[in-house]
Amino acid sequence: GAGVSQSPSNKVTEKGKDVELRCDPISGHTALYWYRQRLGQGLEFLIYFQGNSAPDKSGLPSDRFSAERTGESVSTLTIQRTQQEDSAVYLCASSSPLAGGRDEQFFGPGTRLTVL
Amino acid sequence: GQQVMQIPQYQHVQEGEDFTTYCNSSTTLSNIQWYKQRPGGHPVFLIQLVKSGEVKKQKRLTFQFGEAKKNSSLHITATQTTDVGTYFCALNDYKLSFGAGTTVTVRA
Repeated sequence: GAGVSQSPSNKVTEKGKDVELRCDPISGHTALYWYRQRLGQGLEFLIYFQGNSAPDKSGLPSDRFSAERTGESVSTLTIQRTQQEDSAVYLCASSSPLAGGRDEQFFGPGTRLTVL
Repeated sequence: GQQVMQIPQYQHVQEGEDFTTYCNSSTTLSNIQWYKQRPGGHPVFLIQLVKSGEVKKQKRLTFQFGEAKKNSSLHITATQTTDVGTYFCALNDYKLSFGAGTTVTVRA
């Protein structure tokens, strides 16, 4: 069956440019998460969407980061005026609504962002 | 927020040997999840522990949640080359708070 998909798989950009990363969650999963993983490190929570509730943006590192979600489907993470420290793998995950969000999360393959 | 610490950061294992990785918190955890991330891959869910003293097994993997719910461990017996990767513990409070992971390499 279809898992979480992300695009692009790799993105190389110049410092100061804006980038947009896309995530398609598993169909029927109302919860969607974005995480960032720097090289050799663990995952950092960025933002969480659950149905029509207001998103939890508490993990966004600066106002250059924003995310949107269309209904209970596609989400986009936008990074404005990229900096070299934004270089990382950005992972999207989704989970089933059955356990109120306290359930296993299914991760996409990630987008590797390199800021030159 | 709550944080989980993992030790060791790196584990180099001879094929066939056993090893254990630990996850510790200074505060009581409501639950703990374990994920495995293969080199170049994405995290894949292994298990969730919720109850004090809980022990769950998956073939050669044994997961344990401490009695005080402040620590957890993953024990792998008879390590194989397929066990290579980074093992993360994470507190699941709808968003995951990950430990730094234990990266496992296996000598054949």
